[in-house]
Amino acid sequence: ETGVTQSPTHLIKTRGQQVTLRCSSQSGHNTVSWYQQALGQGPQFIFQYYREEENGRGNFPPRFSGLQFPNYSSELNVNALELDDSALYLCASSSQGAYNEQFFGPGTRLTVL
Amino acid sequence: AQSVTQLGSHVSVSEGALVLLRCNYSSSVPPYLFWYVQYPNQGLQLLLKYTSAATLVKGINGFEAEFKKSETSFHLTKPSAHMSDAAEYFCAVSANFGNEKLTFGTGTRLTIIP
Repeated sequence: ETGVTQSPTHLIKTRGQQVTLRCSSQSGHNTVSWYQQALGQGPQFIFQYYREEENGRGNFPPRFSGLQFPNYSSELNVNALELDDSALYLCASSSQGAYNEQFFGPGTRLTVL
Repeated sequence: AQSVTQLGSHVSVSEGALVLLRCNYSSSVPPYLFWYVQYPNQGLQLLLKYTSAATLVKGINGFEAEFKKSETSFHLTKPSAHMSDAAEYFCAVSANFGNEKLTFGTGTRLTIIP
């Protein structure tokens, strides 16, 4: 069984640029959640996708957007990057239903200069 | 709305000593509570979860946590610390187990003294 994978591992961008982060969910999972973890902080929920539709969103501006594909993999897009967007971005996959835990990927480290 | 507070951003214990990491929660509904561990440059791994089935929850790697409603606490313990326990630990809360968003605390970095 393949776990949750994320790409790229590290990324460096400059202010104002756009970035796309990718996540492949664990086999059999149909839900992907994205979290932002700033240095020294706990992860913060960005949004969740279920069957290609956004299914809940945290307190993040619209320049954070996402997609989920028919194979349940997902992308996180961030436009007009700001210095404060520098963080570890984690995705977690799960199956809808009771008592189904979220499995986290290793994360993508984004640095905005 | 749910939230968790982790008391102590850094905790140091000697190898073989008791590990106690503190977490207090605030929730308007019966909460689901979690402890996650994060090793350097890695994602989060679930240690244990409380889903109202039992107040004392046993997890992986010898960790356990007790849900105390009267104290709104869910502290994480391990009787004897091992060097491999050195990591960052996060308490999290959710209104539903599984797919509702997780709200995390700010984390506690555990250092093990040889």
